[in-house]
Amino acid sequence: QPVLTQPPSVSGAPGQRITISCTGSSSNIGAGYEVLWYQQLPGAAPKLLIYENSNRPSGVPDRFSGSKSGASASLAITGLQAVDEADYYCQSYDNSLTGYVFGTGTKVTVL
Amino acid sequence: QVHLRESGPGLVEPSGTLSLTCTVSSGSVRYYYWNWIRQSPGRGPEWIGYIYYSGSTNYNPSLKSRVAISADMSKDQFSLHLSSVTAADTAVYFCAVGSGWQRVFEHWGQGARVTVSS
Repeated sequence: QPVLTQPPSVSGAPGQRITISCTGSSSNIGAGYEVLWYQQLPGAAPKLLIYENSNRPSGVPDRFSGSKSGASASLAITGLQAVDEADYYCQSYDNSLTGYVFGTGTKVTVL
Repeated sequence: QVHLRESGPGLVEPSGTLSLTCTVSSGSVRYYYWNWIRQSPGRGPEWIGYIYYSGSTNYNPSLKSRVAISADMSKDQFSLHLSSVTAADTAVYFCAVGSGWQRVFEHWGQGARVTVSS
């Protein structure tokens, strides 16, 4: 079912900047629906990181930033830290499926 | 501080009904969208459906024929019922709440692991 495609894994050294892509289509991100990003630490529930494409909830470090262009979106993590090792998911709405959809997920590894 | 807790059986027999309840503690903040989401082992989350504070519901079309979400707003609780379950319904089930229709998963419960097996 996943209709938002993410790279399976991304890695980086401590302090580096990494980006995670989220590719959708004209029925979801490309239709103008907002993109949200979640961080899921091992054994935990997902936690909201970014909403409305680029906004951070209170308490989320400004090392995390989001952007959107056309039918794709990206999450950037700057100053990568060991605590950032987790799975990351993008999410949006799809008007063809008439429901909320999540990305395939990206595992971030800090080298 | 928002706190959500899922409760219910961890084991359901095939062809039976999976039932879970979520208790929401959100203080003075009102969240309008009360959701159920599940995550099968090794896979990404899958939205099951939500109940809006007015009582209206919206379900994932792929599960709509088997799903019912109800709520007791006076108790700040909402429930999931998924019928005719099979092994494919084995997953961790999360409840989540949100304040807007494009911001529906702001806060999540810790999740309840449900196994479908005889």
